[in-house]
Amino acid sequence: NAGVMQNPRHLVRRRGQEARLRCSPMKGHSHVYWYRQLPEEGLKFMVYLQKENIIDESGMPKERFSAEFPKEGPSILRIQQVVRGDSAAYFCASSPGLAAEAGTDTQYFGPGTRLTVL
Amino acid sequence: GQSLEQPSEVTAVEGAIVQINCTYQTSGFYGLSWYQQHDGGAPTFLSYNALDGLEETGRFSSFLSRSDSYGYLLLQELQMKDSASYFCAVRATGFQKLVFGTGTRLLVSP
Repeated sequence: NAGVMQNPRHLVRRRGQEARLRCSPMKGHSHVYWYRQLPEEGLKFMVYLQKENIIDESGMPKERFSAEFPKEGPSILRIQQVVRGDSAAYFCASSPGLAAEAGTDTQYFGPGTRLTVL
Repeated sequence: GQSLEQPSEVTAVEGAIVQINCTYQTSGFYGLSWYQQHDGGAPTFLSYNALDGLEETGRFSSFLSRSDSYGYLLLQELQMKDSASYFCAVRATGFQKLVFGTGTRLLVSP
């Protein structure tokens, strides 16, 4: 049973370019979360999605950032017109359903995409 | 909002026992989780407490006191491979997202 998959693992962009990060949840998981981690810091929640729906985007910057989880295919985190401050590790996590139903908070993390903006 | 406090770094020797504390403030509370992250790696789930008391999973145990808004992760029989960052995380009632602490870097020496 494959785990959460993310690609690319490393992404280098110049200022002003677009970054597109992909995440395929674990098989059977319908909930996807994106987190950002700056060096030497904890993970910061960005957005929570279910298929075709954004449920909670309270951690997403208001501009340049968007996320989607289409009916078919991976979840995409898109960063337009990247700036140096966007350099970070972006982690995707998935869970099988609502934590209240599952009785646990377990989220399964992918290996992350390390974005470097030159 | 939610906030969590952890020590920034803990050092110990192989075979020892170490405790990593976490205090939290949250407007509602559903549970406290612990994750391990090696340098350059992904966070890996270790333990979860929704109720007061101790949960044991092999060499790792986690404790929660809801009345004190406090929990800890206990690592026994430390091994070199336990050198990593450890994060506590809370999920507030009604929300799915996890809010993470800033992490505790554990350094295990021979």
